[in-house]
Amino acid sequence: RKEVEQDPGPFNVPEGATVAFNCTYSNSASQSFFWYRQDCRKEPKLLMSVYSSGNEDGRFTAQLNRASQYISLLIRDSKLSDSATYLCAVIGTDSWGKFQFGAGTQVVVTP
Amino acid sequence: DAGVIQSPRHEVTEMGQEVTLRCKPISGHDYLFWYRQTMMRGLELLIYFNNNVPIDDSGMPEDRFSAKMPNASFSTLKIQPSEPRDSAVYFCASSGGGGNEQFFGPGTRLTVL
Repeated sequence: RKEVEQDPGPFNVPEGATVAFNCTYSNSASQSFFWYRQDCRKEPKLLMSVYSSGNEDGRFTAQLNRASQYISLLIRDSKLSDSATYLCAVIGTDSWGKFQFGAGTQVVVTP
Repeated sequence: DAGVIQSPRHEVTEMGQEVTLRCKPISGHDYLFWYRQTMMRGLELLIYFNNNVPIDDSGMPEDRFSAKMPNASFSTLKIQPSEPRDSAVYFCASSGGGGNEQFFGPGTRLTVL
């Protein structure tokens, strides 16, 4: 089993709709969590960190569920420009500094 | 501020040739990471350094791959000899602190014929 797993998608979302997807992790000692966005043929860029209490940044909301060992990302009022691949990243205390990345979830926002 | 700088951006070479990829991390960052990304395997961590010292190279595929960080502002990833299955995008990333956000460079797109 992979340490970090994501549904590859694609999630086809009408413009203006809401989309949500999860990322599960296997290491219960994981301490830090992030969502990255990667556009086609570009480098990953940090979208947001994920805090224990959950956090929101504009139309984006990230949640952490430690009991079930997953993080989630919700995008409200989807824009065409939200089309990208979203990668989750996890760090465990037993491997501090070493990110484990998921394979990514592709989101396609359609007009 | 300059981000992570990688060179070359594109490299096309023939099987058996030596390939050297270069990275300049963000000034002040003490962690440097080398990743490889392919459609089949996603983003794979190859090796990472802390304060110029290699910490974990368990992701390096085989002895053909080597990485160095002679100082805080420069790192290389070398493949010798290269093979077609090494074709991928190689990213360098840096962070200030192990648990902090990683900043990625633009990547080197390597094609081995």
